[in-house]
Amino acid sequence: AQSVSQHNHHVILSEAASLELGCNYSYGGTVNLFWYVQYPGQHLQLLLKYFSGDPLVKGIKGFEAEFIKSKFSFNLRKPSVQWSDTAEYFCAVIRTTSGTYKYIFGTGTRLKVLA
Amino acid sequence: GAGVSQSPSNKVTEKGKDVELRCDPISGHTALYWYRQSLGQGLEFLIYFQGNSAPDKSGLPSDRFSAERTGGSVSTLTIQRTQQEDSAVYLCASSRGQETGELFFGEGSRLTVL
Repeated sequence: AQSVSQHNHHVILSEAASLELGCNYSYGGTVNLFWYVQYPGQHLQLLLKYFSGDPLVKGIKGFEAEFIKSKFSFNLRKPSVQWSDTAEYFCAVIRTTSGTYKYIFGTGTRLKVLA
Repeated sequence: GAGVSQSPSNKVTEKGKDVELRCDPISGHTALYWYRQSLGQGLEFLIYFQGNSAPDKSGLPSDRFSAERTGGSVSTLTIQRTQQEDSAVYLCASSRGQETGELFFGEGSRLTVL
């Protein structure tokens, strides 16, 4: 079945620690990849996206993600987290091989950053 | 408004009652999605509308769930004979309909079934 896997369900870090959240998908062919973030009490919003070109993409607030096609992965990273990064992070995939498409989301990772 | 609007924001109902949740997408967005967000379950895809194409209903969990989109704009998600396990936040999102399009989410409708 088509799926997006996020291995870490809960992550707790201290401020200034480095962050890496894993995301793997199970589709072949061309995919578009996204990370969305949901801050406490807010709606989901786009953090960054990959369509083609440089596999290392940069998003808002110092986040970046690397697409590794051979590993079917799109991990999210940030060198130094802040308390304000406390949120839930969702990886998502759109397949581009069919005439219609839908976003498939992972189960999310709850990040708590301790001040 | 400029964003995706959902109503009601909160709904408490008794088991067995029917509920309707409404989504008003961003004007001009041709794609509309419904998701269900439950604690520990992430974002569960329910249904997807794209322009005039037949909707992708593959995520609807049972025949008690249905959705329609009138005039390519407003969408209503209907849950018949609600059960306690239907309690969740129901999220609507819209996009321009392109494969690379960003999804814009509403604030969600929190459903509690007693």
